[in-house]
Amino acid sequence: RKEVEQDPGPFNVPEGATVAFNCTYSNSASQSFFWYRQDCRKEPKLLMSVYSSGNEDGRFTAQLNRASQYISLLIRDSKLSDSATYLCVVNLGRRALTFGSGTRLQVQP
Amino acid sequence: ETGVTQTPRHLVMGMTNKKSLKCEQHLGHNAMYWYKQSAKKPLELMFVYNFKEQTENNSVPSRFSPECPNSSHLFLHLHTLQPEDSALYLCASSQDSATSGTNEQFFGPGTRLTVL
Repeated sequence: RKEVEQDPGPFNVPEGATVAFNCTYSNSASQSFFWYRQDCRKEPKLLMSVYSSGNEDGRFTAQLNRASQYISLLIRDSKLSDSATYLCVVNLGRRALTFGSGTRLQVQP
Repeated sequence: ETGVTQTPRHLVMGMTNKKSLKCEQHLGHNAMYWYKQSAKKPLELMFVYNFKEQTENNSVPSRFSPECPNSSHLFLHLHTLQPEDSALYLCASSQDSATSGTNEQFFGPGTRLTVL
């Protein structure tokens, strides 16, 4: 079983749509969680951290369910500029980050 | 310069060549990382350095040799590579996770390596 699993997509959505990505992780000892964004042929960049209480940053909402070992990212009112690959990432403490394969989003006009 | 820089941005080398990738971070971090990203695969951790000491080697073949002379610089020395080593090599840095807690990592733009 992969340590971090994501639906690879692609998700093709129209501008203004709401889209949700899901991610599951296998190690219950995982301590911190993130969503990174990676544009085509560019480096990953932190989008937001994910907290147990859920957190929101503008149009983006992240949720964590430790019992189910499940993380989600919701994007409201999609923009063309949101087109990218979204990487689910977990941290086991002192170890470096473990990345999922990413979910590709294509927002269409 | 700000953030994390990597040179060269592109590299083409033969299997018998020796080359080095360079990474520099200007963020005052004390942990640095090498990752490999192949097409259709997740980022794979290669090496971790904390305060210049290697703390993790993720079963990387010896044809990849890292060097960390100080907390701001990280090198990846390459020799006798194989065509399957062609990939994007990404460097990242962070505060030491024991003190920062969240271990947010900042990535450089990567070196796109092609081995012929």
